[in-house]
Amino acid sequence: AQSVTQPDIHITVSEGASLELRCNYSYGATPYLFWYVQSPGQGLQLLLKYFSGDTLVQGIKGFEAEFKRSQSSFNLRKPSVHWSDAAEYFCAVGDTGGFKTIFGAGTRLFVKA
Amino acid sequence: NAGVTQTPKFQVLKTGQSMTLQCAQDMNHNSMYWYRQDPGMGLRLIYYSASEGTTDKGEVPNGYNVSRLNKREFSLRLESAAPSQTSVYFCASSRGLEGYTFGSGTRLTVV
Repeated sequence: AQSVTQPDIHITVSEGASLELRCNYSYGATPYLFWYVQSPGQGLQLLLKYFSGDTLVQGIKGFEAEFKRSQSSFNLRKPSVHWSDAAEYFCAVGDTGGFKTIFGAGTRLFVKA
Repeated sequence: NAGVTQTPKFQVLKTGQSMTLQCAQDMNHNSMYWYRQDPGMGLRLIYYSASEGTTDKGEVPNGYNVSRLNKREFSLRLESAAPSQTSVYFCASSRGLEGYTFGSGTRLTVV
């Protein structure tokens, strides 16, 4: 069965610093991987997705993620964090049908001035 | 473009009461989903509808029923609410493997 682990419950970074959020997945076949962001009181918004091909994928809002099959990881990165990036971030893995996407527990990002 | 619209946004129920959460999308997506979000547990799939006329159970279907009324609408019903169903409920829709578009959620409290 597929599963997703986000090891960090919360992370605090300074504005302008770089960011890396960790995600590890378990899936028997080639995974379909996603990162979503949730601002307080809002629904989730898709940041980026990986299906195949180039292992470094670009998303919205300056985010990128790298798929590493050997480490079963799909970490999210941003070179310079803005205060508006403070939110909760969810990694997700989808099955080949696309109907049973499993979400991690989330990582809450705090940005300090 | 409204995207995915959920109603109501907030609801308080007494134990044993019933209610229906409504969801509608205007993106012509084939698939629709209901998730619940609880602190520290991420989102868990309750039911999904791969296409109009079909519905299937997800990870936590007990206590819930769904109806795919047409391509646009997918409702979630709680027949006899329990305190364990206190949660934030999200509806989402998708086309193929493009990723999900989520509604803004319904915050449900069962007392």
